[in-house]
Amino acid sequence: DAKTTQPPSMDCAEGRAANLPCNHSTISGNEYVYWYRQIHSQGPQYIIHGLKNNETNEMASLIITEDRKSSTLILPHATLRDTAVYYCIAAPGAGNKLTFGGGTRVLVKP
Amino acid sequence: GAVVSQHPSRVICKSGTSVKIECRSLDFQATTMFWYRQFPKKSLMLMATSNEGSKATYEQGVEKDKFLINHASLTLSTLTVTSAHPEDSSFYICSAPDRLAEAFFGQGTRLTVV
Repeated sequence: DAKTTQPPSMDCAEGRAANLPCNHSTISGNEYVYWYRQIHSQGPQYIIHGLKNNETNEMASLIITEDRKSSTLILPHATLRDTAVYYCIAAPGAGNKLTFGGGTRVLVKP
Repeated sequence: GAVVSQHPSRVICKSGTSVKIECRSLDFQATTMFWYRQFPKKSLMLMATSNEGSKATYEQGVEKDKFLINHASLTLSTLTVTSAHPEDSSFYICSAPDRLAEAFFGQGTRLTVV
């Protein structure tokens, strides 16, 4: 799996959009960008994934740059329950083993 | 989404004893499951890949004789920590890909060895 780089932490205000960056400059053509989050003492939760097109679901939006070397996860209206560690992973498919980096610890503040 | 269930969610055991953790895919079949370990304030580290009907594949540095994995059916994989020691205390998490090859994770098992 390609290595990903994320800021270790970030704060955001409740009700505002949270933009989480991820760098994956060595991503291969067959690798997707996956985002998971882990709330304290729970297993990771799938958020979204994409290959090259931008994606949106009920949880978030994923913006992937045209060169695919970076991406941004957008939580449109952050709530206190979005406080978690967010992991960006580049992998051929989630059916394969996933390599977790350090992630970004997001703290949503009232 | 698909559901993966782990049991127990929390266990305390004495040094030298063995502990079995179960990982079940509740609404889909999984020929492959993955076991991770997570120490406090650290990221998840893959321990092994569990393959239904065959031997597990262990990551480098993981003792296969200490962490026994059995994947006897398409919906159940078990991880047994044998002769547990305090340094084995950790958060153990399993995952299973569904038929769309998307990974779903169990809720994790917190093991404390005293």
